[in-house]
Formats: sequence, structure tokens, C-alpha cells
Amino acid sequence: SQQGEEDPQALSIQEGENATMNCSYKTSINNLQWYRQNSGRGLVHLILIRSNEREKHSGRLRVTLDTSKKSSSLLITASRAADTASYFCATVAAGNKLTFGGGTRVLVKP
Amino acid sequence: GAGVSQSPSNKVTEKGKDVELRCDPISGHTALYWYRQSLGQGLEFLIYFQGNSAPDKSGLPSDRFSAERTGGSVSTLTIQRTQQEDSAVYLCASSLAGTGSFNYGYTFGSGTRLTVV
Repeated sequence: SQQGEEDPQALSIQEGENATMNCSYKTSINNLQWYRQNSGRGLVHLILIRSNEREKHSGRLRVTLDTSKKSSSLLITASRAADTASYFCATVAAGNKLTFGGGTRVLVKP
Repeated sequence: GAGVSQSPSNKVTEKGKDVELRCDPISGHTALYWYRQSLGQGLEFLIYFQGNSAPDKSGLPSDRFSAERTGGSVSTLTIQRTQQEDSAVYLCASSLAGTGSFNYGYTFGSGTRLTVV
């Protein structure tokens, strides 16, 4: 079964707007990671946040982690058409196994 | 190589035939993972290799699926007597396990799209 569940499943925004997606998980984790997938093939690692961190930034990406609520959010600011992709959260628990959520499909309209 | 390499990129096979999918991880990465992704779905964990430890096979869906990793590097995922429900993209990833998995993300290959007809 999936550890992470993402919300919303799909998101459509205009270029320049911000995109926010959320991820909830069930068990204690070591870290949480976000990945992007274009065209249903390989995934690209975006950002990793450790369980003792609450917020992290990377370029136009901002990730938050609330371990008390077992949830995380990914914010993409000033979105571009090239940000159109599926975004997955994934958690690492004991054993180093990466477990993925179902993903959020983001469409950025020019 | 610079990235994780998977071959073939596409494979069409007849129902009942066996297939082998190959993954070349990044040199020096001790951890290797196989995932399966059906159309429009999330990633389903299949198997995980870490160094010389016994692999975590908990995600393999049936005994028709097996994988090996030779010399701690190249891995082969074998599906015997393929069924139509095996059609999916099979993704391989590698990482520097231990401190790597705690501090770094995983690097994925481009996947093998398997179609069973």
C-alpha cells in the first residue's frame, strides 16, 4: 500500500501563479522527498527534507514538513509552462526503502 | 556512467514469454531499487538491494518475478510467463545508501516500458 497520499490529484493553473500540493503519510519517517516526472518516464529528484526540519527552499520550490500531522506541502512559485508534470512525494522510513504517493498532475497553461 | 541506465527502453512481448530488464546503476551507489508504474498510477515498490545484504523482496507481486544483482552493480529483473497485467513502466533507481539515503535523493533511470500482448 502507498505510504503517501497526495492532494489534489490534479491541478491546473495559469503561468505565473503559484502551485501548492500536499502529501500525507502514515508512519514515522527519516526524510521526505519530492520528485517530478515528465511524460511518464524517469523521475527527477527535486528536494529532500529531513524529519527534524520544518521548511526548506530550493529556487522556486518551498517544502514544509509537519511531523505531528504527518504531512508535507510543496509550493512552486511563479509557475512556468515547463513546470507541467506529475509531482510525487516519497518517504524514507527504517530500512531505506522509498515509498511513493499517487502523485499530483500539474498543468501550467501559458 | 553519469546516470542510471536501463535497457531496453521499450519491450513488446507475447503473453507467456519470459523477459529480462536490465539496470546499470551509478558507479559507487550501493543501493538499487526496482519500481513498477502502471499507466497514470504511482510507483509500486518491487525490490531493494543494499550492498551484500539479502535483498528486500517484499514488493514482488508473484513468484514469476525475480531479480538479481551481480557484483554489487548491474541488476536484472526477470518476469517469467508474462501476463497482460504485467504491462507497465519498470523503473530502476540507485542511491548512496546509509548517509546517502538520509541526505541525498535517489537517481532514477528512464525506465523500460513493457507491453504484453
